[in-house]
Amino acid sequence: DVKVTQSSRYLVKRTGEKVFLECVQDMDHENMFWYRQDPGLGLRLIYFSYDVKMKEKGDIPEGYSVSREKKERFSLILESASTNQTSMYLCASSLSLAGGSYNEQFFGPGTRLTVL
Amino acid sequence: AQTVTQSQPEMSVQEAETVTLSCTYDTSESDYYLFWYKQPPSRQMILVIRQEAYKQQNATENRFSVNFQKAAKSFSLKISDSQLGDAAMYFCAYRSYQGAQKLVFGQGTRLTINP
Repeated sequence: DVKVTQSSRYLVKRTGEKVFLECVQDMDHENMFWYRQDPGLGLRLIYFSYDVKMKEKGDIPEGYSVSREKKERFSLILESASTNQTSMYLCASSLSLAGGSYNEQFFGPGTRLTVL
Repeated sequence: AQTVTQSQPEMSVQEAETVTLSCTYDTSESDYYLFWYKQPPSRQMILVIRQEAYKQQNATENRFSVNFQKAAKSFSLKISDSQLGDAAMYFCAYRSYQGAQKLVFGQGTRLTINP
């Protein structure tokens, strides 16, 4: 079974702090994604990566950056946390296959971040 | 850009009954994929069912089936014989056939099962 793990289930930080959210997958997937989940808005893509050291902006990248130094690990960085970044953050991974619906995204358990 | 809309923030159903969750989407593409994901309380999101747009036949997975209406851009999920374990947030999602494999999600529908 694919396993996607995230470093924390719950995190509380203060405004202005630098925050690192870590995601690790164990199935040698090329693609990794960071989403933000808010009530009434569903999931929105922040950043994704299709290879080591490669990254692409998603729909809401402002205030975030990412790092992918190893294939299995994808980090989301909040350079200076703000209260409007209080949210649930979900990591996902998938194989990189041309087309094909079977390369589904597998999700981690999520990190609920509160910025005070 | 593609958009996905789930107009039912909450739904409830009696155990053993059938419930249908609605989803509409907007796209100018002809080839794409549609998915329903389930997020149980405090548990990981899992894929429930998927549909390729080029297939006319509606996808079915045990008690879960979809009604895919391509011309109407509608993709509803039917859950038959509802069970307590079906209680969850359900998200409809769209993915383009080509290019970046990112998902575009709807707002979600919270499904409650009444015993």
